[in-house]
Amino acid sequence: NAGVMQNPRHLVRRRGQEARLRCSPMKGHSHVYWYRQLPEEGLKFMVYLQKENIIDESGMPKERFSAEFPKEGPSILRIQQVVRGDSAAYFCASSPRTGVQHFGDGTRLSIL
Amino acid sequence: GESVGLHLPTLSVQEGDNSIINCAYSNSASDYFIWYKQESGKGPQFIIDIRSNMDKRQGQRVTVLLNKTVKHLSLQIAATQPGDSAVYFCAETGETSYDKVIFGPGTSLSVIP
Repeated sequence: NAGVMQNPRHLVRRRGQEARLRCSPMKGHSHVYWYRQLPEEGLKFMVYLQKENIIDESGMPKERFSAEFPKEGPSILRIQQVVRGDSAAYFCASSPRTGVQHFGDGTRLSIL
Repeated sequence: GESVGLHLPTLSVQEGDNSIINCAYSNSASDYFIWYKQESGKGPQFIIDIRSNMDKRQGQRVTVLLNKTVKHLSLQIAATQPGDSAVYFCAETGETSYDKVIFGPGTSLSVIP
């Protein structure tokens, strides 16, 4: 009964490279959420997706960031041309149609 | 704008004492509240929730109190243990078409052995 799986756990990129973060929701969950957390801060909502649809991306920066949740496979959060300010922990959560969100253990992104 | 915030950013308690973590919310339309616990290096874990038609809910060693009049939420941990050391987040959401959760800034709880 696996929980939300995120990989990689740690990702190091140089400025200007692309970062791809993956999230496999819990079995039976069709709703995925991405959050960003800076050290000593709370979680900031980025985007909410259902299969093949972006429902709410109001927390996502307009440039360089994109997210998808394809019919098959994990949800992907993609950051293009990364900058130092993108360094953070990125958490994914999933839920069934309604209900409590269950979180993965995050991907810690470091930008050199 | 709507927000959920915490009164105390840090809290230190003696092992065995009770802990109380407070939270204020500003959106009176919110009707579902959740407490999460986040240990170092891990994602938030669900602790307990409460709906707005209740003012108290108890779990194992934890109790959540909701005061809708003053828009205040609290988490009480009985007989605090070292394993309770973590950051605690309150979160609010509504019974809308989806469960967008808004998190407060968090309170760091340290248990002194």
